[in-house]
Amino acid sequence: TQLLEQSPQFLSIQEGENLTVYCNSSSVFSSLQWYRQEPGEGPVLLVTVVTGGEVKKLKRLTFQFGDARKDSSLHITAAQPGDTGLYLCAGTGGSQGNLIFGKGTKLSVKP
Amino acid sequence: NAGVTQTPKFQVLKTGQSMTLQCAQDMNHNSMYWYRQDPGMGLRLIYYSASEGTTDKGEVPNGYNVSRLNKREFSLRLESAAPSQTSVYFCASSVLGQDGNTIYFGEGSWLTVV
Repeated sequence: TQLLEQSPQFLSIQEGENLTVYCNSSSVFSSLQWYRQEPGEGPVLLVTVVTGGEVKKLKRLTFQFGDARKDSSLHITAAQPGDTGLYLCAGTGGSQGNLIFGKGTKLSVKP
Repeated sequence: NAGVTQTPKFQVLKTGQSMTLQCAQDMNHNSMYWYRQDPGMGLRLIYYSASEGTTDKGEVPNGYNVSRLNKREFSLRLESAAPSQTSVYFCASSVLGQDGNTIYFGEGSWLTVV
């Protein structure tokens, strides 16, 4: 069974701080996605990484896919209250290529 | 753009009652999904449909049935609701692009079984 472990589970920081969220597995994934979910809404896709070692930037968010395609990280620079939410990583796996989700990191950014 | 629309948004059921969650997408996607989200458990796949006319079990299918009525609609039915089915349910659809499957989620349905 393919599993994705996310850490930390909870993170509470002050506005302006930097943070990194991790997504790790013992399995190789053909691609990995990051979603953000706000309270009362469904997850929304932020980025997809497909190549080992790939780095993608989305404004203050930097996503990295591990060289072996088993892990990924999300780094947020100068966090803002609007970054508050649940961050989920998801890897493409299984016989049907379905997404396997991590349990998420709940981020709270205080003004 | 409506995207993925699911109804109802909130529902309270008594143990043993039945109900159907409705889902429709207007993006012409082939694949559709039903997930449940529970605290500390993340998103777990209940059923999915790779194309019209086909359905397959996901990680937690027990107690649920699905119908892919047409390309747009994918419903989830609870025949005899149990308190363990209290959860937030998300319908989703996906399109296969060069970066793999991109999934679009509905806004969720909050179900409480008492």
